[in-house]
Amino acid sequence: EEQLVQSGPEVKKPGESLKISCTGSGYRFNNYWIAWVRQMPGKGLEYMGVIYPGDSDVRKSPSFQDQVTISADKSISTTYLQWNSLKASDTAIYYCARRFFGGSRYFDLWGRGTLVIVSS
Amino acid sequence: EIVMTQSPAILSVSPGERATLSCRASQSVDSNLAWYQQKPGQAPRLLIRGASARATGVPARFSGSGSGTNFTLTISSLQSEDFAVYHCQQYHDWPLYSFGQGTKLEIK
Repeated sequence: EEQLVQSGPEVKKPGESLKISCTGSGYRFNNYWIAWVRQMPGKGLEYMGVIYPGDSDVRKSPSFQDQVTISADKSISTTYLQWNSLKASDTAIYYCARRFFGGSRYFDLWGRGTLVIVSS
Repeated sequence: EIVMTQSPAILSVSPGERATLSCRASQSVDSNLAWYQQKPGQAPRLLIRGASARATGVPARFSGSGSGTNFTLTISSLQSEDFAVYHCQQYHDWPLYSFGQGTKLEIK
C-alpha cells in the first residue's frame, strides 16, 4: 500500500527549533515530488514548497521562503520540514502530499498531518 | 501568484439535494484544477483532477466542470458522508501551487 507516514504531534515554545518528517512507502519515493502544506486552525490549505527527494531539489512558495527549511534523506525515503525559531503563528497542522507522477501536477496521496502547537 | 477564490464560504444543503460549489482563478489555469474533500480530523482526499476527471473510487455523484478561470464542483444528491470542507487547487503555475480558502458544506 502506498502511504506517507508523518511524525507525531509536537508542543514547543516560541524560539525553539523543530524538525518534522514524512516517510513514504509502497512506491518509489525518490521519483516523486513531495509537497508540504500548512493548515492553520480553522483555515484553508496553504502551499509551502516541494522537494524532489532524488536530488533534493527544493522549490518554495515566496510566502515561506525564509521561514522554513525543506530537506530529504532519500536513503530512508523521508522528507523533513524544519524551523530554526518557532513562533506562535506556526501553530498549525502540516501535511505532506505526493505530486502525481505524470504530466498533471495535482496531489494524489496525502499524509495524515502533523499537529504543531507553539505556546509559551 | 494565482489567487483562487471559492464561494460560498459555507453552503447549507439538505441530504438528497444538489450542491454546487464554485472556484475562480485570478488568471487562466486551463484545466489544471483539482478538488479535494476534507473531513474533520482527516487529511484532504483527491476528488477531481483536470477540472472534471474523478479520482479513483470517487462516486459518480461528484462532478467537476469548467476551464480557464471558472470552475464548479457539483454533488448531485448529497449523502451524509459528503458533508465536509472542499478545497480547490490550481496546479497550472508549477511550482507555485495555490488553494482556495475552502467551502464548508453543512447539513441544512
